[in-house]
Amino acid sequence: QKEVEQNSGPLSVPEGAIASLNCTYSDRGSQSFFWYRQYSGKSPELIMSIYSNGDKEDGRFTAQLNKASQYVSLLIRDSQPSDSATYLCAVKGTDKLIFGTGTRLQVFP
Amino acid sequence: KAGVTQTPRYLIKTRGQQVTLSCSPISGHRSVSWYQQTPGQGLQFLFEYFSETQRNKGNFPGRFSGRQFSNSRSEMNVSTLELGDSALYLCASSLLGSNYEQYFGPGTRLTVT
Repeated sequence: QKEVEQNSGPLSVPEGAIASLNCTYSDRGSQSFFWYRQYSGKSPELIMSIYSNGDKEDGRFTAQLNKASQYVSLLIRDSQPSDSATYLCAVKGTDKLIFGTGTRLQVFP
Repeated sequence: KAGVTQTPRYLIKTRGQQVTLSCSPISGHRSVSWYQQTPGQGLQFLFEYFSETQRNKGNFPGRFSGRQFSNSRSEMNVSTLELGDSALYLCASSLLGSNYEQYFGPGTRLTVT
């Protein structure tokens, strides 16, 4: 079992829809969770961080964390073509930040 | 505030050579982490430095080493390069360490021939 798992996609959503990206992790002791966006040929860009159970909203983005289910998700409301990118989930384990392989999101007009 | 900078941006080396990559963190950030990104393995953690001390190390061979200077700038060295070392090397800086938000530099694209 991978330490951080994401569906590789692509996840295709129409412009204006809600995109839902999911991530599961294996280390129950994990305390810090992050979502990064990476455009092709660019470096990852931090979108959201979340540390406690529940929802955290920032503009069109909402991160959701459920530690009991070892599950973290990212919702993108009113998706735009410019949101098309790979979204990386990252989980801070005991000693290092572990990244999932990413979900490729495609938003079509 | 200036972001994380990495030099050089591109490198082509021959198998068996060594290479040194440099990273300057965001001003005030004391933590620098290094990652290797390849299409097959994704983003893999190499090591983290905080106030000139290596805090954590990933599962990479001893050919990969790093250090951090008193001004928080960091260097990563890879000796005896192998073809499989071809990758995008990314550094990320954080104010307090990798438990908290990290911000990535643009990366160094290393090609080993």
